[in-house]
Amino acid sequence: EAQVTQNPRYLITVTGKKLTVTCSQNMNHEYMSWYRQDPGLGLRQIYYSMNVEVTDKGDVPEGYKVSRKEKRNFPLILESPSPNQTSLYFCASSSWLSSSYEQYFGPGTRLTVT
Amino acid sequence: SQQGEEDPQALSIQEGENATMNCSYKTSINNLQWYRQNSGRGLVHLILIRSNEREKHSGRLRVTLDTSKKSSSLLITASRAADTASYFCATALIQGAQKLVFGQGTRLTINP
Repeated sequence: EAQVTQNPRYLITVTGKKLTVTCSQNMNHEYMSWYRQDPGLGLRQIYYSMNVEVTDKGDVPEGYKVSRKEKRNFPLILESPSPNQTSLYFCASSSWLSSSYEQYFGPGTRLTVT
Repeated sequence: SQQGEEDPQALSIQEGENATMNCSYKTSINNLQWYRQNSGRGLVHLILIRSNEREKHSGRLRVTLDTSKKSSSLLITASRAADTASYFCATALIQGAQKLVFGQGTRLTINP
């Protein structure tokens, strides 16, 4: 089954404790992206990757890092989480080489930073 | 600033009625997409309309695009309780069409 998986689904952590949210897709997609969703603000892009070893900032990259060492994985790293990073996070992927711009979303990771 | 703005922010109708949601955007686009999100879950792609298209259908969904007005509408006909969800428009810019910019969404409630 074609899918995007994220782990963990729920996470409660404390300020400053480094964490990683994993994202993996099994569709051989080139493009992967991270979004955060906050009430009243919709989805905002954090980082994206056009292909392996190619990453770029989205609209709200501060406080986040990413890497794309393999085509299927695109982890999101919070080096020193703060309460304003409490949010619902989504990973998504798509295939730009096929000119199919539809994005496939993971189930989301609800992060709480206290 | 947000590229896509949806209207209304919330819509409540009776089952069987039609639901119309609107999306306005600011800059020229390659395509516009509509997504559905059930409460707290991942977004699901519904339909894509390219900048050179004016109307598109998929089952009970009808999407229109007016590039001169920079607006789109999503019509769901014969609504069902299962259509209760949030609906988002997302625009793909001409340069870098893979990057989507989402609106804030319309919360649709279908009352039985």
